[in-house]
Amino acid sequence: DIVMTQGALPNPVPSGESASITCRSSKSLVYKDGKTYLNWFLQRPGQSPQLLTYWTSTRASGVSERFSGSGSGTYFTLKISRVRAEDAGVYYCQQVREYPYTFGAGTKLELK
Amino acid sequence: QVQLKESGPGLVQPSQTLSLTCTVSGLSLTSNSVSWIRQPPGKGLEWMGVIWSNGGTDYNSAIKSRLSISRDTSKSQVFLKMNSLQTEDTAMYFCARNFDYWGQGVMVTVSS
Repeated sequence: DIVMTQGALPNPVPSGESASITCRSSKSLVYKDGKTYLNWFLQRPGQSPQLLTYWTSTRASGVSERFSGSGSGTYFTLKISRVRAEDAGVYYCQQVREYPYTFGAGTKLELK
Repeated sequence: QVQLKESGPGLVQPSQTLSLTCTVSGLSLTSNSVSWIRQPPGKGLEWMGVIWSNGGTDYNSAIKSRLSISRDTSKSQVFLKMNSLQTEDTAMYFCARNFDYWGQGVMVTVSS
């Protein structure tokens, strides 16, 4: 199975600052079609996960431009610009390159 | 408007079989895939399996021997059945379409 390893955040993050979350995969997530199959989610307390980005950097419908995904191969980053109260929660990366699809353990974002 | 809603028993006895239903609206199961994902209390996300638009399925190898996913397209429902339940199967169970639309989840506790 592909292991997804997420980095921590220096919580709490001051409102208005930027925050970056890292995610490493144990195997390249590039598929033969050239796409990189890495998703990012935000799970707010008591809610279902919300898809933020897919194919590493494509924002899902309705997602703020403050969220930007980047990376390639096995190293990925989700940057959150001008952090706001509504951004608080746990962020997960997920690979959908091969079965079984696997998630990182999650990175908690707390706001100051 | 795409919606998914999980339903099923909140309590299951150890060694018994779990049966859950995901009822969808605003989409056709013959042109969309639906995954099941679970989350133990206070822990991360685990992808369980998927039923594709053509009715084919793929499962997480860790639980494949205990899991079955099926559907009734006429009722817009996807079913999960998992046997030999143990206390470690206690979790919130979600269904999701392509990971971009999620249900609210249903909490399942395995206990005698």
